[in-house]
Amino acid sequence: DAGVTQSPTHLIKTRGQQVTLRCSPKSGHDTVSWYQQALGQGPQFIFQYYEEEERQRGNFPDRFSGHQFPNYSSELNVNALLLGDSALYLCASSLRQGYNSPLHFGNGTRLTVT
Amino acid sequence: SQQGEEDPQALSIQEGENATMNCSYKTSINNLQWYRQNSGRGLVHLILIRSNEREKHSGRLRVTLDTSKKSSSLLITASRAADTASYFCATDGSNFGNEKLTFGTGTRLTIIP
Repeated sequence: DAGVTQSPTHLIKTRGQQVTLRCSPKSGHDTVSWYQQALGQGPQFIFQYYEEEERQRGNFPDRFSGHQFPNYSSELNVNALLLGDSALYLCASSLRQGYNSPLHFGNGTRLTVT
Repeated sequence: SQQGEEDPQALSIQEGENATMNCSYKTSINNLQWYRQNSGRGLVHLILIRSNEREKHSGRLRVTLDTSKKSSSLLITASRAADTASYFCATDGSNFGNEKLTFGTGTRLTIIP
């Protein structure tokens, strides 16, 4: 049973460019959340997708957008990259409104913006 | 912004000793969770305690919650080298504990063999 998978594992981009990160949820999960983790900090919530719609959003600008596909996989897009966007981007999946369904995290995508 | 802070920021103990780390948070919660993160990897869920619970156990883990003080503690007994990791508390206003989680700043635990 595959857990949460993310691709790519590492990525280097230049300021101003755009990036797309991908996530496949754990089998049986229908909800995907994205988190940004700066070096030495705890993860910060970006947004959550369920039924192909953004359901909740954290304090991130519109440059951060996402998508969920019918097979529950998800993409995170970041436009007009800034140096401060350099971070580990974590995808987590869960079962919507599941009392015994904590978040399952992937190993993340390390984004470096130069 | 971070909901809370873990204390201490870093902790080094000998293998076999107990490790205690604390978490403080700011707003009212429905539940509090603890996660472990090995270096550069994803987070692993350890335990969830609900706001109406005061203590919970899972294997070598013991979690307490004091909602009047807005604080929680995680105790790891009989530590092992494999427990070396960063530990984060996370709060969530939902009933399910899997929606908009707010994480603390983490405690980096090092177990010395």
